[in-house]
Amino acid sequence: QQQVKQSPQSLIVQKGGISIINCAYENTAFDYFPWYQQFPGKGPALLIAIRPDVSEKKEGRFTISFNKSAKQFSLHIMDSQPGDSATYFCAAREPGNQFYFGTGTSLTVIP
Amino acid sequence: DADVTQTPRNRITKTGKRIMLECSQTKGHDRMYWYRQDPGLGLRLIYYSFDVKDINKGEISDGYSVSRQAQAKFSLSLESAIPNQTALYFCATSRDTSYGYTFGSGTRLTVV
Repeated sequence: QQQVKQSPQSLIVQKGGISIINCAYENTAFDYFPWYQQFPGKGPALLIAIRPDVSEKKEGRFTISFNKSAKQFSLHIMDSQPGDSATYFCAAREPGNQFYFGTGTSLTVIP
Repeated sequence: DADVTQTPRNRITKTGKRIMLECSQTKGHDRMYWYRQDPGLGLRLIYYSFDVKDINKGEISDGYSVSRQAQAKFSLSLESAIPNQTALYFCATSRDTSYGYTFGSGTRLTVV
């Protein structure tokens, strides 16, 4: 079954708006939660990541919010730009093992 | 040069043919992975290797095999390709699981 559930599948946001993508997990052993950004024809690239001992991490316009008790985390893109249009994947790591990925969110930012 | 290079970028093959996808990395990392990407399913792990002598099955290894020829090289083989193996395949590398992955640009495989 899907270890990490991601929503929405697609998202359209106006330029300057806030894009929000959500992920949920069940395995409380997961200990590292990265987000990847993928442009067409390219492989996913690490965007930002968080560990469960913090509730928020911000890098520029990108913020991860983490709710350990709810087993949810989300990516917020502030002041969304057309150049942010891409597919975004959340992921979770099982200690000593591999990552599990969400199903991806296709973000379109319209001018 | 790219940190992770996959060849070929695109391939069309016929059902029943054997095909190999190749991956090489210049990051000097020990850990390498093969993922498959399908629309609506995200990235699913096929095989992974933590060093040259270590090979492990992922969640969807049936119909695939791998070879770790060197620290820098990890190839994926489809022994007898079938149409539902049509997908985008990614190779990735990591220093260890404390860090994220570096992905290649992918191989788009079509089995007809």
